Amino acid sequence: EADIYQTPRYLVIGTGKKITLECSQTMGHDKMYWYQQDPGMELHLIHYSYGVNSTEKGDLSSESTVSRIRTEHFPLTLESARPSHTSQYLCASRLQDYEQYFGPGTRLTVT
Amino acid sequence: QQPVQSPQAVILREGEDAVINCSSSKALYSVHWYRQKHGEAPVFLMILLKGGEQKGHEKISASFNEKKQQSSLYLTASQLSYSGTYFCGTETAGNKLTFGGGTRVLVKP
Repeated sequence: EADIYQTPRYLVIGTGKKITLECSQTMGHDKMYWYQQDPGMELHLIHYSYGVNSTEKGDLSSESTVSRIRTEHFPLTLESARPSHTSQYLCASRLQDYEQYFGPGTRLTVT
Repeated sequence: QQPVQSPQAVILREGEDAVINCSSSKALYSVHWYRQKHGEAPVFLMILLKGGEQKGHEKISASFNEKKQQSSLYLTASQLSYSGTYFCGTETAGNKLTFGGGTRVLVKP
């Protein structure tokens, strides 16, 4: 059982608001990732980190930002939410070359 | 570059077998397989490292042909619980998984 947590699980917010999606893992994993996934569709990597103070943009262009100040914590921030940001956001973590575990996800709706 | 999965969807009767394929144009370090049920996060099934190994999880097994940069997932004697979307994730030396478009599997009684 993977110990990776995301909050909130569901969020409905108005256009223009700033939001932060939280992701934490207690497994000491060095690598962490954020994916965006529309229902029933493919997973798009938007950010990743290979360790503290290391962050990179993923394959899908995103208006979000991330930080990695602590190993266990990898929050994602949207400075100004728009309806096009409506989606599910999945956080994942991994230890070196081993299997990758996903958090339960945050379903975001921007009205 | 994103791996290509086929077929995009498959419908099975309980007890039938199916094969899902995943291919890449790049030299792969490993292939990962995940299953995602509706409204849930993807769940790790297995990882295959280059070397042509085969692995199993319940009655689900997979193979990896590194010469062809292809992996196949075998669903044997399918059960209702096997329904979901299966994703392959491929990895090159950069340690960043890239996922395929998914294969939707529906197992009917």
